[in-house]
Amino acid sequence: AQSVAQPEDQVNVAEGNPLTVKCTYSVSGNPYLFWYVQYPNRGLQFLLKYITGDNLVKGSYGFEAEFNKSQTSFHLKKPSALVSDSALYFCAAPTGTASKLTFGTGTRLQVTL
Amino acid sequence: NAGVTQTPKFQVLKTGQSMTLQCAQDMNHEYMSWYRQDPGMGLRLIHYSVGAGITDQGEVPNGYNVSRSTTEDFPLRLLSAAPSQTSVYFCASSYLSGDGLFFGEGSRLTVL
Repeated sequence: AQSVAQPEDQVNVAEGNPLTVKCTYSVSGNPYLFWYVQYPNRGLQFLLKYITGDNLVKGSYGFEAEFNKSQTSFHLKKPSALVSDSALYFCAAPTGTASKLTFGTGTRLQVTL
Repeated sequence: NAGVTQTPKFQVLKTGQSMTLQCAQDMNHEYMSWYRQDPGMGLRLIHYSVGAGITDQGEVPNGYNVSRSTTEDFPLRLLSAAPSQTSVYFCASSYLSGDGLFFGEGSRLTVL
């Protein structure tokens, strides 16, 4: 079955430090991969997606993600974290067809001063 | 341009009652979907639609019905509410399936 996994329930980072939120995938063929962010009591917001091409994908709010085929990973990164980045982050990939998007269980990012 | 609008934001039901969660989008998106979000489980797809008149089941469709009579609207019906359907429900849309999704603000449902 095609799926994504987020191995960390929570990531803690000091403001100004780089952050990484991990995602691994199990998808046959060429994967579509997404990252979404959810702020408290809000819906999810699209951050970025990978289809093909450059392994480094740039997205909203200064985030980027690195696609690594050999490690089947699609980690979300930001060079310098902000307190306002504190939120719940979800990795996602289509399951079977592009119409069925499967989400990981989410990683809570906590950025502190 | 309101994006994806969900109503109601909060609802409390008794077991066995029925209700409809409304979802409307004003972006002329072909693809619409319903997810439920439960702690520790991420989001799970309930039903989706790739265009007016076309719907299909997702991962957890039991106990829910949908219809898509117009491009704009995609209501989710709970036929006979059960406590296991206590959750936060999100409607999402995109121009085409495979695009980034636009989400509504969510509807928090409690079934007693």
